[in-house]
Amino acid sequence: QKEVEQNSGPLSVPEGAIASLNCTYSDRVSQSFFWYRQYSGKSPELIMSIYSNGDKEDGRFTAQLNKASQYVSLLIRDSQPSDSATYLCAVYLNTDKLIFGTGTRLQVFP
Amino acid sequence: KAGVTQTPRYLIKTRGQQVTLSCSPISGHRSVSWYQQTPGQGLQFLFEYFSETQRNKGNFPGRFSGRQFSNSRSEMNVSTLELGDSALYLCASSLATARYEQYFGPGTRLTVT
Repeated sequence: QKEVEQNSGPLSVPEGAIASLNCTYSDRVSQSFFWYRQYSGKSPELIMSIYSNGDKEDGRFTAQLNKASQYVSLLIRDSQPSDSATYLCAVYLNTDKLIFGTGTRLQVFP
Repeated sequence: KAGVTQTPRYLIKTRGQQVTLSCSPISGHRSVSWYQQTPGQGLQFLFEYFSETQRNKGNFPGRFSGRQFSNSRSEMNVSTLELGDSALYLCASSLATARYEQYFGPGTRLTVT
């Protein structure tokens, strides 16, 4: 089992819809979780961090964390074509390392 | 505030050669991490430096090494290059108080022929 798993996609959603991106992790004691966005040919950009169970909202983005089920998700409301990118989930593991998933490619079509 | 800078941006080397990549973190950031990104493996952690000390390292062979200077700038070195070392090498910096909220540089694209 990989330490951090994401569906590679692509996830295709129409403009204005909600995009839901999911991530599972293997380390039960992980405490810190992050979402990065990476446009094609660019470097990853931190968009959300979450440390406690529940939801954390920032503009059109909502991160959701469920430690009991070991998953973290990212919701993007009112998706725009400019949101088309690869979204990377990152988890700070008990091994004192930040481990990235392989990313989910999101396509938002007009 | 200036972002993370990496030099060079592109590099072509021959198998067996060595290469040194440089990273300047955001001002005030003392933690620097290095990652290798390839299409097949995604982002793989190489090592992390803080206050000139290697704090952690990933599962890469000893050909990969790094260091950090007193001004927090960091370098990584790859010796005896192999074809499989062709990748995007990314540097990320963070504050000591928010160690894993990392800000990435543009990367160095290394091609080994």
